[in-house]
Amino acid sequence: AQSVTQPDARVTVSEGASLQLRCKYSYFGTPYLFWYVQYPRQGLQLLLKYYPGDPVVQGVNGFEAEFSKSNSSFHLRKASVHWSDWAVYFCAVSPQSGSFNKLTFGAGTRLAVCP
Amino acid sequence: DAGVTQTPRHEVAEKGQTIILKCEPVSGHNDLFWYRQTKIQGLELLSYFRSKSLMEDGGAFKDRFKAEMLNSSFSTLKIQPTEPKDSAVYLCASGDWGSSQNTLYFGAGTRLSVL
Repeated sequence: AQSVTQPDARVTVSEGASLQLRCKYSYFGTPYLFWYVQYPRQGLQLLLKYYPGDPVVQGVNGFEAEFSKSNSSFHLRKASVHWSDWAVYFCAVSPQSGSFNKLTFGAGTRLAVCP
Repeated sequence: DAGVTQTPRHEVAEKGQTIILKCEPVSGHNDLFWYRQTKIQGLELLSYFRSKSLMEDGGAFKDRFKAEMLNSSFSTLKIQPTEPKDSAVYLCASGDWGSSQNTLYFGAGTRLSVL
């Protein structure tokens, strides 16, 4: 069975600083990978998704993520964080041959942005 | 297109009451999910429908939780009877796995407080 680990429950960065949120997955083979964001009092929204191909995936609002099969990782990055990025970020994994019900979410990383 | 709509946004119930949460998925989506979200457990799958058929009912939640989808544009989640430990945010999500999007869309959630 697949699993996702987000080792950092909470990350605090200064506005304008760069950001990396870590995601490690466990899956035999190459999965589909996703990053979702949840703003306060809202549902989850898709930031970006990885399907086999270019390991660096571009998402919305300047976010990107890099897939590494050797490290079983899919870390999320942003060059310059804005206060509006204050949210909870979820990494998720799914088998290629599966469907949505095989989507496994990590516990989430809460991002706080300091002025 | 309208997104996923959940009502009510907030619900307060006495222990032992029956409550019904409602969800309208994105038009045309074949997959519908109910999740429970808490800080401790994260996202837990309650139910999964594919083309209105119940595909997964989240094992541990069977006894007091019942999700139904009487038509493709409306789903309900009934909790009967409610217990204080049911206090959480309940999220509904819809999507269409296999389409070019392969994206899951979430509603804003219903925050349930059981006293």
